[in-house]
Amino acid sequence: EAGVAQSPRYKIIEKRQSVAFWCNPISGHATLYWYQQILGQGPKLLIQFQNNGVVDDSQLPKDRFSAERLKGVDSTLKIQPAKLEDSAVYLCASSLTPSSNQPQHFGDGTRLSIL
Amino acid sequence: TQLLEQSPQFLSIQEGENLTVYCNSSSVFSSLQWYRQEPGEGPVLLVTVVTGGEVKKLKRLTFQFGDARKDSSLHITAAQPGDTGLYLCAGGGAGNMLTFGGGTRLMVKP
Repeated sequence: EAGVAQSPRYKIIEKRQSVAFWCNPISGHATLYWYQQILGQGPKLLIQFQNNGVVDDSQLPKDRFSAERLKGVDSTLKIQPAKLEDSAVYLCASSLTPSSNQPQHFGDGTRLSIL
Repeated sequence: TQLLEQSPQFLSIQEGENLTVYCNSSSVFSSLQWYRQEPGEGPVLLVTVVTGGEVKKLKRLTFQFGDARKDSSLHITAAQPGDTGLYLCAGGGAGNMLTFGGGTRLMVKP
């Protein structure tokens, strides 16, 4: 089975520019998650989708971050405008359902560097 | 806000040694998951423990969930260079949302 696909793998932009990341979850997985992993830290959940609806976005900085999953399959995460502190790896994960203890399968992430 | 503290943050040992990584919280979790992450890759799930006091073994790795479901440990016996990586614990909550610890970076020298 194909894993979670993310692109691009790397992105370098200047502060105040905008950037977008794309994620294609495992086929049939209804639940999709975006995490931010700052160097030396564990991943932090930004937003969780169930199909095309948002389940939780309490930790998403909504003044600059936005995410969508319009058709309930792939998803995009956007940052506009970017700040220096947004430098991190952005991980996408998916699970079959949002039931507790469902395994989450992670993509390899997009490494974002802000100059 | 639920927090998970992992210790130690860094561990460098010789091949063949044993080690234990700890994951502690003041909050109760419905489950505790352990992941391993290699450089440039996403975390990969090793195990999920759901019952207080539960012990699971995966070859040379032993995972334990505390009786009160607030803490967990990972014990590796006779570590090998292939065990090198970042080990992350994550507490499971409602809606399958995970709270990750800060990670333990393990290096096993041949």
